[in-house]
Amino acid sequence: DTGVSQDPRHKITKRGQNVTFRCDPISEHNRLYWYRQTLGQGPEFLTYFQNEAQLEKSRLLSDRFSAERPKGSFSTLEIQRTEQGDSAMYLCASSLEGNSGNTIYFGEGSWLTVV
Amino acid sequence: AQRVTQPEKLLSVFKGAPVELKCNYSYSGSPELFWYVQYSRQRLQLLLRHISRESIKGFTADLNKGETSFHLKKPFAQEEDSAMYYCALSTMFSGGYNKLIFGAGTRLAVHP
Repeated sequence: DTGVSQDPRHKITKRGQNVTFRCDPISEHNRLYWYRQTLGQGPEFLTYFQNEAQLEKSRLLSDRFSAERPKGSFSTLEIQRTEQGDSAMYLCASSLEGNSGNTIYFGEGSWLTVV
Repeated sequence: AQRVTQPEKLLSVFKGAPVELKCNYSYSGSPELFWYVQYSRQRLQLLLRHISRESIKGFTADLNKGETSFHLKKPFAQEEDSAMYYCALSTMFSGGYNKLIFGAGTRLAVHP
């Protein structure tokens, strides 16, 4: 499968702990997105990278959240001092600038449960 | 404000019945609309986009700018159409990139 891959798929952590999620986009896709999805809601935009540059951050991304894409390939999303409200599915997506319609392809997501 | 509204959380129909999943949007610019689908235990995937004006798996959607709607339709539902459907609006930024704003989704259940 050469789609967007995310790791881990599931994470249970205690409140106050730090967690990190990894995303490997489709090879050669220069655009990478992180979304968050809670039960009963559609995905909500968190942040966007073009190559290694983080060009936009949503107001949903508090100071406890940080995302990186150091070499313009894989990306990490770290949540520090987790809170129960952080429990959600974290989705990564990628696209190729200039491709037909800028189709955005999603990964299977990383489930976070904060207990 | 940019917003996508899907008024129905659940749409339950019998096989062979027509289906219409409603989507309304709010956007001041020129909209680009999409329908994404998520089948059980699968990732979110693109079903169709309005600029393509195509029919995928028998589904069609027409952008109505006057009513700010992008309803998804299929004349005869199949059991394999059962899934979660999300309407999404693409917003374009000055840097030329876009992001998607999603509705809350509608679960389509097609019964035999």
